[in-house]
Amino acid sequence: DQQVKQNSPSLSVQEGRISILNCDYTNSMFDYFLWYKKYPAEGPTFLISISSIKDKNEDGRFTVFLNKSAKHLSLHIVPSQPGDSAVYFCAASATDKLIFGTGTRLQVFP
Amino acid sequence: SAVISQKPSRDICQRGTSLTIQCQVDSQVTMMFWYRQQPGQSLTLIATANQGSEATYESGFVIDKFPISRPNLTFSTLTVSNMSPEDSSIYLCSAAMGVSYEQYFGPGTRLTVT
Repeated sequence: DQQVKQNSPSLSVQEGRISILNCDYTNSMFDYFLWYKKYPAEGPTFLISISSIKDKNEDGRFTVFLNKSAKHLSLHIVPSQPGDSAVYFCAASATDKLIFGTGTRLQVFP
Repeated sequence: SAVISQKPSRDICQRGTSLTIQCQVDSQVTMMFWYRQQPGQSLTLIATANQGSEATYESGFVIDKFPISRPNLTFSTLTVSNMSPEDSSIYLCSAAMGVSYEQYFGPGTRLTVT
């Protein structure tokens, strides 16, 4: 039972354009959501998070949107840069445990 | 945030043997966790490492196969016992501070079992 889903395994975006990564969840008890970025041979790095009491959180080029009624969140990166090329995982929590999605590989090309 | 190191970074082991992975955090943390990431898959929580007491295992993971120690607030070990090729995976430890949901991850240990 995959409680957190990232239906797009990969995404390719031109440098300077917007990258939108999507994530869906099934458990309405989740109250905190996070995005992690992972480069090859490294551990995941925390990127940005959002509480379920909010619908938007912004940090520089990164913005996370939460639609609780649709059980959907998205990460917007604008403008996209080649250094953003990595695998992005969304994660959700109802306690102190994190449930991760399967990841989306983002490639930003010049 | 916390800086987390893991040893070894990678290893190739024969089936039937055991490997112990070490995780060191540069500051005291409240929670430490162990994850597995099989090829092409998501991160799956193995267990929560509890300081001074037995780890709390997730469904599908047992102490006999994945014994965990956490002797203090900055260090934990995970042992993968009686290994089989199906245990080939990346093993990651993470730590959380205070009441934050945010977890910080080590670089991972890439294990190959032949």
